[in-house]
Amino acid sequence: DTGVSQNPRHKITKRGQNVTFRCDPISEHNRLYWYRQTLGQGPEFLTYFQNEAQLEKSRLLSDRFSAERPKGSFSTLEIQRTEQGDSAMYLCASSPRTANEKLFFGSGTQLSVL
Amino acid sequence: AQRVTQPEKLLSVFKGAPVELKCNYSYSGSPELFWYVQYSRQRLQLLLRHISRESIKGFTADLNKGETSFHLKKPFAQEEDSAMYYCALRGSQGNLIFGKGTKLSVKP
Repeated sequence: DTGVSQNPRHKITKRGQNVTFRCDPISEHNRLYWYRQTLGQGPEFLTYFQNEAQLEKSRLLSDRFSAERPKGSFSTLEIQRTEQGDSAMYLCASSPRTANEKLFFGSGTQLSVL
Repeated sequence: AQRVTQPEKLLSVFKGAPVELKCNYSYSGSPELFWYVQYSRQRLQLLLRHISRESIKGFTADLNKGETSFHLKKPFAQEEDSAMYYCALRGSQGNLIFGKGTKLSVKP
């Protein structure tokens, strides 16, 4: 499968723990996006990268959230001191070259905070 | 404010009936709009975008700036069209802003 890959598929954690998710975009896609989706809602934008530069962050991204894309390839999203409200599907998407290209989504990481 | 509204959570039709999934947007500039679809157990994927003026799987969508709408239509629904449909607007920062989605259920 040469699509966007996200790991893990599921993560169950206890409140207060830190979690990290990984996204491997389609090769040569220079834009990478993180979205969060809760039940009954559409995907909500969190942040995006162009190559290794983080260009935009949503107000939804509290200081407990941090995202990196160190070499402009894969990206990680870390949530520190998880809260029950962080339970959601975290989606990664990538697009080639310019902002006007369509987004290719991964299967997501389902986070459950107990 | 940049916003996408999909007023229907669920739309249920019989096979062969026409389908219209509603989408309204709020955007101050010239909008760029999309429909994304998620079939059961599959990834979210692009269905169509207004700039392409294309028909995909029999679906079309016309941008109506006067009514700030981008409704998705298909004249004859098929069972395989059953899915979640999301309308999306490209925001001023380049990211996509999604509506809450409409679940289309096509009954045999």
